[in-house]
Amino acid sequence: QQKVQQSPESLIVPEGGMASLNCTSSDRNVDYFWWYRQHSGKSPKMLMSIFSNGEKEEGRFTVHLNKASLHTSLHIRDSQPSDSALYLCAARNQGGSAKLIFGEGTKLTVSS
Amino acid sequence: EAAVTQSPRNKVTVTGGNVTLSCRQTNSHNYMYWYRQDTGHGLRLIHYSYGAGNLQIGDVPDGYKATRTTQEDFFLLLELASPSQTSLYFCASSERTGGALEQYFGPGTRLTVL
Repeated sequence: QQKVQQSPESLIVPEGGMASLNCTSSDRNVDYFWWYRQHSGKSPKMLMSIFSNGEKEEGRFTVHLNKASLHTSLHIRDSQPSDSALYLCAARNQGGSAKLIFGEGTKLTVSS
Repeated sequence: EAAVTQSPRNKVTVTGGNVTLSCRQTNSHNYMYWYRQDTGHGLRLIHYSYGAGNLQIGDVPDGYKATRTTQEDFFLLLELASPSQTSLYFCASSERTGGALEQYFGPGTRLTVL
């Protein structure tokens, strides 16, 4: 069964620092990746999606994708305490499947 | 923003009990999903549906039934609840499968099976 592996499991960065989160799929037929953010006690909300090789930037958040290695990474610059959350990576199989496979998440803590 | 509601928000039952979790979305999304979230396992897909009367099996379906009665309503049924089904359950909906589909999640139902 397809697996999505995230690393590290948890991460502490100082306020104003850079947070880097990683995600890799074991399924070579994946065509799309998503990053979701889940604050404590809340439901997940989509942060960014990516399907092309390269990078995509939205404000302080940048996502990279290397399709050859099926690896995506999320980078948060100038991290804020409000960025403290569980970050979930999800991948979808090619062919327009409606199923997403989620990783176990990276718990980010931004210390002030 | 898409609206997904779930009820109840908290539920306690006993082993062998019957439980129905409800989900409603008001954005005419085609797809609806049921997930469970447990520490160390992330979000795992139980069942999903692409329209009224349709049901697709997810990755962890054992012990769960689901029914999509209308475009808006999707129910998860636990007919003989077991302690291993103690979890946080999320419902989600999405508009379409192609491209950058975004799943919108409900607030979650915390289920405890004693």
